[in-house]
Amino acid sequence: ETGVTQSPTHLIKTRGQQVTLRCSSQSGHNTVSWYQQALGQGPQFIFQYYREEENGRGNFPPRFSGLQFPNYSSELNVNALELDDSALYLCASSRGQGRSAGELFFGEGSRLTVL
Amino acid sequence: GENVEQHPSTLSVQEGDSAVIKCTYSDSASNYFPWYKQELGKRPQLIIDIRSNVGEKKDQRIAVTLNKTAKHFSLHITETQPEDSAVYFCAARTGSNTGKLIFGQGTTLQVKP
Repeated sequence: ETGVTQSPTHLIKTRGQQVTLRCSSQSGHNTVSWYQQALGQGPQFIFQYYREEENGRGNFPPRFSGLQFPNYSSELNVNALELDDSALYLCASSRGQGRSAGELFFGEGSRLTVL
Repeated sequence: GENVEQHPSTLSVQEGDSAVIKCTYSDSASNYFPWYKQELGKRPQLIIDIRSNVGEKKDQRIAVTLNKTAKHFSLHITETQPEDSAVYFCAARTGSNTGKLIFGQGTTLQVKP
């Protein structure tokens, strides 16, 4: 059983640029959630994808968008990068959704630095 | 709104002592409460979890207790070891259709040899 994998692991961008982060979910998992973890803080929910559709969004602006593919892998896109977007972006996969969802398995994250 | 408060923010104990981290949550519909350990530069790793139909769960040196009425849950680590040093996060699964996790702010645990 393969775990959650994310790419790239580290990247540096400048303000105004766009970035795409990728995530492969754990085998058998159909739900992917994305979290942003700023330095010294707990992860914050960005959004979730279930069966290729957005299934809920946290308090993040529309320039944060995503996709889920038929194989349940996912992308997180951020447009018009701002300095405050510098953070560790964590992808987590699980089986099912909502209150009956299974355990969340996190990837190692993508560390984004915006200069 | 949905919120999880975690205390203390830092905790320093001697090897062999016990450590306790406490969290409170606001969403009374929350039904699942995991605890994660995160080492520097690593992913959060689930160490123990508890569901709302259970009051206590234990796994070797780690235990979690849940008081649904007070909306409190706590992590207890006994016989601490230096390798327990890390940041610990509590979380609560909301009653929304996403079942998203709301995380606490984290507790940095230092176990001194």
